[in-house]
Amino acid sequence: AQSVAQPEDQVNVAEGNPLTVKCTYSVSGNPYLFWYVQYPNRGLQFLLKYITGDNLVKGSYGFEAEFNKSQTSFHLKKPSALVSDSALYFCAVRHYGGATNKLIFGTGTLLAVQP
Amino acid sequence: DADVTQTPRNRITKTGKRIMLECSQTKGHDRMYWYRQDPGLGLRLIYYSFDVKDINKGEISDGYSVSRQAQAKFSLSLESAIPNQTALYFCATSGIADTQYFGPGTRLTVL
Repeated sequence: AQSVAQPEDQVNVAEGNPLTVKCTYSVSGNPYLFWYVQYPNRGLQFLLKYITGDNLVKGSYGFEAEFNKSQTSFHLKKPSALVSDSALYFCAVRHYGGATNKLIFGTGTLLAVQP
Repeated sequence: DADVTQTPRNRITKTGKRIMLECSQTKGHDRMYWYRQDPGLGLRLIYYSFDVKDINKGEISDGYSVSRQAQAKFSLSLESAIPNQTALYFCATSGIADTQYFGPGTRLTVL
């Protein structure tokens, strides 16, 4: 069965410091992996995805994520955090080659960036 | 978010009432989804539809029903609302590619 885990409920980081939001996945076969961000009182917004190719994926707002097959991880990163990055972040996985494109979401990680 | 709209944005109702949440999209996508979000549980899929004639249950469909009135419209109904259906509900759409686009959400409170 497909699953995705976000081991941290909350990540705190000072503005200007690098940030990492962790995600690990379990899927049979090759994964499609996604990151979404949810700002307060808003719907989820797509940040980036990995399907195949380069393990480092660049997305919106300066975020990037690194796919690591051996560690089954897809951690979200940003070199320098902004206060405006404070939001709820969701990792999601889909089984590549499946008949559907249902996504399985993690439980979310709240990122708090202190000024 | 403007490509996917949800009505109402907020709703308070009483136990036993029937309620409908509506979703419309202008992205031209065939695939539409309904999720609910609960604190600490992330997003869970209620129903999904790959075209007007295709409706499928998700992981938590009990107590819910859906109607796909057109390619652009997908409604979620609670036939007899109960308090544990209090949650934030999201509609999403996708094309053949996997990226899903979400509406702004409906905050539903069942008293």
